[in-house]
Amino acid sequence: SAVISQKPSRDICQRGTSLTIQCQVDSQVTMMFWYRQQPGQSLTLIATANQGSEATYESGFVIDKFPISRPNLTFSTLTVSNMSPEDSSIYLCSVEDPSDNEKLFFGSGTQLSVL
Amino acid sequence: GENVEQHPSTLSVQEGDSAVIKCTYSDSASNYFPWYKQELGKRPQLIIDIRSNVGEKKDQRIAVTLNKTAKHFSLHITETQPEDSAVYFCAASKNGGFKTIFGAGTRLFVKA
Repeated sequence: SAVISQKPSRDICQRGTSLTIQCQVDSQVTMMFWYRQQPGQSLTLIATANQGSEATYESGFVIDKFPISRPNLTFSTLTVSNMSPEDSSIYLCSVEDPSDNEKLFFGSGTQLSVL
Repeated sequence: GENVEQHPSTLSVQEGDSAVIKCTYSDSASNYFPWYKQELGKRPQLIIDIRSNVGEKKDQRIAVTLNKTAKHFSLHITETQPEDSAVYFCAASKNGGFKTIFGAGTRLFVKA
């Protein structure tokens, strides 16, 4: 298994500002994933972060809006830039189970509200 | 690409009754089908999964069935309890968790 610590757990931000979300894993993992969960909706993959290379973004998500850092094998950050109310969502980081890469573990999520 | 459809979106049952949630997938190459439970304000957690070489899997009160030919899979919860109330997501993947595609979710209410 993997234990993921994510912070902040929630934040209320003004439009036009940026928020950086941090994710720490208790073991070294190759890939870390960032998901968005809009209110009452499913989980949508934003990007995959590999250590030592640029993140890979899914269709509809761009680096300028969601810059990601992956400085080592246990840590990643996601920044939500120039926020608007449409960015109000839960953001979740995730990793594959080190012993079974089909299974996903999730962080506790960051509830973001943009005014 | 893969698409996973999930029904119903909301399900309300009496405590002790059974609940069934159904999903279909589009990519015949998908070979791993997990179910995640998300309680209110909590993280999604894997509760059961099934691989394409198995037709059914059971773990206490929950079971999952897979029909590869029809590309259907279902979650069955028997003897439901109030603590089963949550949102359940089905998913499908091939070649690793990072390719997981989630269904839209089913909000299950178990009435005491």
